[in-house]
Amino acid sequence: DAGVTQSPTHLIKTRGQQVTLRCSPKSGHDTVSWYQQALGQGPQFIFQYYEEEERQRGNFPDRFSGHQFPNYSSELNVNALLLGDSALYLCASSLNRQGRPFFGPGTRLTVL
Amino acid sequence: AQTVTQSQPEMSVQEAETVTLSCTYDTSESDYYLFWYKQPPSRQMILVIRQEAYKQQNATENRFSVNFQKAAKSFSLKISDSQLGDAAMYFCAYRNIQGAQKLVFGQGTRLTINP
Repeated sequence: DAGVTQSPTHLIKTRGQQVTLRCSPKSGHDTVSWYQQALGQGPQFIFQYYEEEERQRGNFPDRFSGHQFPNYSSELNVNALLLGDSALYLCASSLNRQGRPFFGPGTRLTVL
Repeated sequence: AQTVTQSQPEMSVQEAETVTLSCTYDTSESDYYLFWYKQPPSRQMILVIRQEAYKQQNATENRFSVNFQKAAKSFSLKISDSQLGDAAMYFCAYRNIQGAQKLVFGQGTRLTINP
């Protein structure tokens, strides 16, 4: 049984570019949440997707958007990248919105 | 808004000894979950232990146990018989029982195990 997977593992972009990160939830899970973890900090909640809709959002600008597909996989899009967007982006999936979250290994984004 | 504070940026312990990591939190809710997560250099966030606020008994998972003081809003993690594989970042996290799955994390404590 595959756990939560994320792609790519690492990514390097330049300021102003756009990026798409992908997450496949653990088998049987229908809810996906995204977190941003800056170096040396705890993860910060970006948003959660359930039934293909954004259900809750943290304190992040509209440059951060997402999508959930019918197979429950999810994408995180970030437009107009800033240096401060450099971070580890973690995806967590769960069975419904209250289930125990399982985390993926993350995508390391570097913005130059 | 809920907040979680870990006041120990770094801790170290001798192998086979016991170490306690501290965490305090702030919430106006009466029912909630508290978690300790471990994040090794591989970056995977691994659940160590979970505590429901409505349960008075402290949670225990093998060598890991918590001291949950609801009135003081304190949630410390005790690791007994420390092993080299316990070396990692440890994060305390809070989640409401009602509503969505949003986790609120502390800043983390880096634990070093000395052989």
